[in-house]
Amino acid sequence: RKEVEQDPGPFNVPEGATVAFNCTYSNSASQSFFWYRQDCRKEPKLLMSVYSSGNEDGRFTAQLNRASQYISLLIRDSKLSDSATYLCVVPSGGSYIPTFGRGTSLIVHP
Amino acid sequence: DVKVTQSSRYLVKRTGEKVFLECVQDMDHENMFWYRQDPGLGLRLIYFSYDVKMKEKGDIPEGYSVSREKKERFSLILESASTNQTSMYLCASSLTTGGGGYTFGSGTRLTVV
Repeated sequence: RKEVEQDPGPFNVPEGATVAFNCTYSNSASQSFFWYRQDCRKEPKLLMSVYSSGNEDGRFTAQLNRASQYISLLIRDSKLSDSATYLCVVPSGGSYIPTFGRGTSLIVHP
Repeated sequence: DVKVTQSSRYLVKRTGEKVFLECVQDMDHENMFWYRQDPGLGLRLIYFSYDVKMKEKGDIPEGYSVSREKKERFSLILESASTNQTSMYLCASSLTTGGGGYTFGSGTRLTVV
């Protein structure tokens, strides 16, 4: 099983829709999780952390499900500007350097 | 804001050339990283450094070396460029290694012909 798995998408949704992505991980000892956003032809930027209790920032909600070993990102009321690739980051099993998922592409259309 | 600057946005090099990619950060971060990003493969770690003159191999170090003589500068070296090293190269720095505080440079798109 790969350390980190994401559905590459693309997820194609209309403006105003709610969309959710999952990221599964294999290292059950993982403690810290994050979501990064990468716009086309740009570098990744930290979007938000994922806490055990969940984390909400405006239209974005990140959650952790330890039992099933996945994290999720929910985007409500999608905007055109949300179109990007969303990368999850989870700690690696054998080192303290985290692993980036391959990303999920989101396209929000009018 | 932390700024990570990569010296070139686009580079075209010939097979067999020695290539230097430079990265400078301005926030006194201990940790610096070099990744390459290819379609469908995501970000893959080449090398990282947690202190001056210290380096560790990442997942795909073959064909690459690095240098960190000063805290703010982390260089990636392609000893003899090959076409399969055509890629987007991203440098990052962070205060910790946990994954939450990575600041990336804008990337260097290297084409080896």
